[in-house]
Amino acid sequence: EADIYQTPRYLVIGTGKKITLECSQTMGHDKMYWYQQDPGMELHLIHYSYGVNSTEKGDLSSESTVSRIRTEHFPLTLESARPSHTSQYLCASSADTLGTEAFFGQGTRLTVV
Amino acid sequence: KNQVEQSPQSLIILEGKNCTLQCNYTVSPFSNLRWYKQDTGRGPVSLTIMTFSENTKSNGRYTATLDADTKQSSLHITASQLSDSASYICVVTDRGSTLGRLYFGRGTQLTVWP
Repeated sequence: EADIYQTPRYLVIGTGKKITLECSQTMGHDKMYWYQQDPGMELHLIHYSYGVNSTEKGDLSSESTVSRIRTEHFPLTLESARPSHTSQYLCASSADTLGTEAFFGQGTRLTVV
Repeated sequence: KNQVEQSPQSLIILEGKNCTLQCNYTVSPFSNLRWYKQDTGRGPVSLTIMTFSENTKSNGRYTATLDADTKQSSLHITASQLSDSASYICVVTDRGSTLGRLYFGRGTQLTVWP
């Protein structure tokens, strides 16, 4: 079992609220990722990080922001949630060697009403 | 454009039967290909990894093949079980960037009926 954790697992929140999705890993991985996945669709990379104080936007444009103050922690924040943000958000991490496995968290299912 | 295409989109089989899932990719330069299993509402879990020089790799009842010349991979599941019901995702990593970008297929949704 991978040591990467996401909280909360499920979140229902009203429009306009600020939310933070938490992601933590205890494997010492430098690379961390946030993916967005709609039902039946592929994962889309929205943010990634090479290490502390390094964050980049992914392929899919997202209104969310991320921070990487500690190696083990990679939270994702939405300043003002909208119904269009309803989706599943998956966090992953991998070691800094090409080809190593990306370990995924259980995901956060976000519903904005 | 780097892409990963999977087929079929969905598949229903009876318990105990075998099945084969397909993955075609255009990702270049190629580093490796992984098959992940994703149970509903959970994160993907790696089943196998194939590098350029590998043709076949097994993990229990799962056998993956790779033809790097035609850029095709397959995942064969033997003696299916109810717990095999999940989405199977083909993921290709490129080696053209420091990140080692992951390219995901949309997955094949497998349902195993008793």
